[in-house]
Amino acid sequence: QSALTQPASVSGSPGQSITISCTGTSSDVGSYNLVSWYQQHPGKAPKLMIYGVSKRPSGVSSRFSGSKSGNTASLTISGLQAEDESDYYCCSYAGSNTYVFGIGTKVTVL
Amino acid sequence: QLQLQESGPGLAKPSETLSLTCTVSGGSISTSSYYWAWIRQPPGKGLEWIGSVYYSGTTYYNPSLKSRVTMPVDTSKNHFSLKLSSVTAADTAIYYCARSHRDLNWFDPWGQGTLVTVSS
Repeated sequence: QSALTQPASVSGSPGQSITISCTGTSSDVGSYNLVSWYQQHPGKAPKLMIYGVSKRPSGVSSRFSGSKSGNTASLTISGLQAEDESDYYCCSYAGSNTYVFGIGTKVTVL
Repeated sequence: QLQLQESGPGLAKPSETLSLTCTVSGGSISTSSYYWAWIRQPPGKGLEWIGSVYYSGTTYYNPSLKSRVTMPVDTSKNHFSLKLSSVTAADTAIYYCARSHRDLNWFDPWGQGTLVTVSS
């Protein structure tokens, strides 16, 4: 199990849209529609933002959306706001009741 | 509202066993829809899934840690634990416990996390 690949950093201006990619393999991301995304502010526990590739839990802003194509999943944040500045991690089911996380992406709001 | 709270020593000596407990409040650990997980984060680094346990005691571990990990569950106390043996400095991390949905495979909510430092 290798960590999923994410860009180290992504930045955008307020109001813009940004997309974070999460690349795995045919054994994890490519095989299951079970990718989730987590937001982690400094010193805080991660917060679930997206599950099942594109589903939003209750209470999560509709500005957050997810998708997947082949072995790569993506998280898009629309209408970027200052409060979105955070670290984001993807996670995929990898079979046999195991999971693999991404290396994380730091989102900066310019 | 379901809450999870990690507890245990903040310091472990090299080659010894790290032991942590996650107490669940606001709900029962004995629910068929969920697993209970441990996830860790070395300082300044990313997240790593350690393993998951079902209320029945069934466990699933990260293959890279499997030889050193056990995760017992105590339904009478509504808590589950992590035991990581033969620790080294590389095991220094914030350790989180979290609820995991058995079918939808998400982690939510998470405990606040507890820092464990491995040092002599």
